[in-house]
Amino acid sequence: AQSVTQLDSQVPVFEEAPVELRCNYSSSVSVYLFWYVQYPNQGLQLLLKYLSGSTLVESINGFEAEFNKSQTSFHLRKPSVHISDTAEYFCAVSGRRGSEKLVFGKGTKLTVNP
Amino acid sequence: ETGVTQTPRHLVMGMTNKKSLKCEQHLGHNAMYWYKQSAKKPLELMFVYNFKEQTENNSVPSRFSPECPNSSHLFLHLHTLQPEDSALYLCASSQDMAAISGYTFGSGTRLTVV
Repeated sequence: AQSVTQLDSQVPVFEEAPVELRCNYSSSVSVYLFWYVQYPNQGLQLLLKYLSGSTLVESINGFEAEFNKSQTSFHLRKPSVHISDTAEYFCAVSGRRGSEKLVFGKGTKLTVNP
Repeated sequence: ETGVTQTPRHLVMGMTNKKSLKCEQHLGHNAMYWYKQSAKKPLELMFVYNFKEQTENNSVPSRFSPECPNSSHLFLHLHTLQPEDSALYLCASSQDMAAISGYTFGSGTRLTVV
């Protein structure tokens, strides 16, 4: 079985500052990794995912995450955040076998202040 | 709009009421899920349906009763709920049971039990 640990429940930052949201996973098998974002009063939206190939994956709005197998991590980063990035971010993991479901972390609430 | 529609968006019900939550997707997905999202707790997977058949029930109390009449619609029937059942209920769908394609979430129903 897989598990996900998001080390920070809340991360406050100032606008245009860099941010890193940490995610570590535990699994005995190869995994797929995902980041979802939840804006206020909305459901979760897929932000980016790692399936295979390049360990660095990017989203369309400037976020990136790097799969680090040796450290079992998939941290999310953005070099310069905007007020509109304020949301809750969820890391998720799935085993690579056919019927594996997503397992979500507890989420990290990112607040970007002016 | 994500392609997964949940109604109603908000619901207030008494502990003796009976109500239903509705989820609809026209993405051609075959798997559908109900999640419960409570404040300060991780996402809780409640039920999983694949091709209209329930494949998972995560020890959910019987006061929650799911129904999946076809691959496009999913209901959650509620009766004699408790105040601790107040939460955001999220519906999600995916192409199949493999998580590789990711899940598409609805915006949720905010349920308040009084």
